Amino acid sequence: AQSVAQPEDQVNVAEGNPLTVKCTYSVSGNPYLFWYVQYPNRGLQFLLKYITGDNLVKGSYGFEAEFNKSQTSFHLKKPSALVSDSALYFCAVRQGGGNKLTFGTGTQLKVEL
Amino acid sequence: EAQVTQNPRYLITVTGKKLTVTCSQNMNHEYMSWYRQDPGLGLRQIYYSMNVEVTDKGDVPEGYKVSRKEKRNFPLILESPSPNQTSLYFCASSLDPGTNEKLFFGSGTQLSVL
Repeated sequence: AQSVAQPEDQVNVAEGNPLTVKCTYSVSGNPYLFWYVQYPNRGLQFLLKYITGDNLVKGSYGFEAEFNKSQTSFHLKKPSALVSDSALYFCAVRQGGGNKLTFGTGTQLKVEL
Repeated sequence: EAQVTQNPRYLITVTGKKLTVTCSQNMNHEYMSWYRQDPGLGLRQIYYSMNVEVTDKGDVPEGYKVSRKEKRNFPLILESPSPNQTSLYFCASSLDPGTNEKLFFGSGTQLSVL
């Protein structure tokens, strides 16, 4: 069975500082990895994905994520956080060739002035 | 505008009273899915559909039904709602999960079963 772990329920960071939201996964075969963001009272929005190739993936709003196969991790990063980045972030994994997308429990990011 | 539309946004009902949450997409997507979001549990898949007349169970299908008679619509049916189905529900669609296309989500339906 495939699974995703987001070990932090909440991450607090000051505006202008770098941020990292952690994600580890477990899946058979090649993983397809995704990050989604949820703003209050909204549905989830796609941020970025890793399918194959370069381990550093760039996405929307200045976010990027680094795929680390040996550590089975796919951490979300941004060099300089904005207050407007405050939201709920979800990591998701799909097994290569499969139809099922499994989400993590989410990490609330709070960026303060 | 490309979108997934869910209705209603908010719904309060009583135990046992059948209800339907509608979902429609205007992007000609093959794949549609329903999720429920609960605090501390993240998103869990209820049912999904790969195409018209093709549906399959997700992780938590008990107490739910779906149908896919048309490509654009994928309603979620609760025949006899119970309080443990109080949750935030999301419909999502994508062109084809096999190509790893991103999911587009609706705005959500907050359901309370009393």
